[in-house]
Amino acid sequence: EVQLVESGGGLIQPGGSLRLSCAASGFTVSSNYMSWVRQAPGKGLEWVSILYSGGSGGSTYYADSVKGRFTISRDNSKNTLYLQMNSLRAEDTAVYYCARGYHGSGRIYGMDVWGQGTTVTVSS
Amino acid sequence: DIQMTQSPSSVSASVGDRVTITCRASQGISSWLAWYQQKPGKAPKFLIYAASSLQSGVPSRFSGSGSGTDFSLTISSLQPEDFATYYCQQANSFPLTFGGGTKVEIK
Repeated sequence: EVQLVESGGGLIQPGGSLRLSCAASGFTVSSNYMSWVRQAPGKGLEWVSILYSGGSGGSTYYADSVKGRFTISRDNSKNTLYLQMNSLRAEDTAVYYCARGYHGSGRIYGMDVWGQGTTVTVSS
Repeated sequence: DIQMTQSPSSVSASVGDRVTITCRASQGISSWLAWYQQKPGKAPKFLIYAASSLQSGVPSRFSGSGSGTDFSLTISSLQPEDFATYYCQQANSFPLTFGGGTKVEIK
């Protein structure tokens, strides 16, 4: 079964750091375009970052709101995606979802598999 | 960045009604548009990609159309399980951006 399971969320003080994990099963993270998407309480969806497939690395892109503070990465041996979040702010409070990109011919069409989400609360 | 604007923000409808949601991009995105359904407390569900292609397993009462800047999602005959919030998302360029959502409520 194709599945994504996020973990690592919690309550963190402003300025702190947190690392989210997303364990995949039923498919290979390194062969797919993997994204993080967040949703603040009562708000809509906001795309955060993507890691393109490819070998040991892959290209990365970020939303302006997190650029320079968040880093997306993966561990191929663990088939797991990560989001390292530094310098956290109150406005980063959200449910964070990881999602698999539905792609073809070198481009992404959308996100077809989503995890259940993990909640990050930034507050003193 | 490409801004995505959905309308209406909410719609009240009855079972069996035909419902259409529109999504407008701030610049042309060809057909690189996806639609999602989200129910409270749940992750989004992928419905449509490339503006009009139905994802596997999605009921045929859902359909999408449009290209360039104007798009729509239509539910031909609303079912009880369709009451949810719907989001469009452009896949033309980074950053990927979502519309603000349309909540389909029971009349």
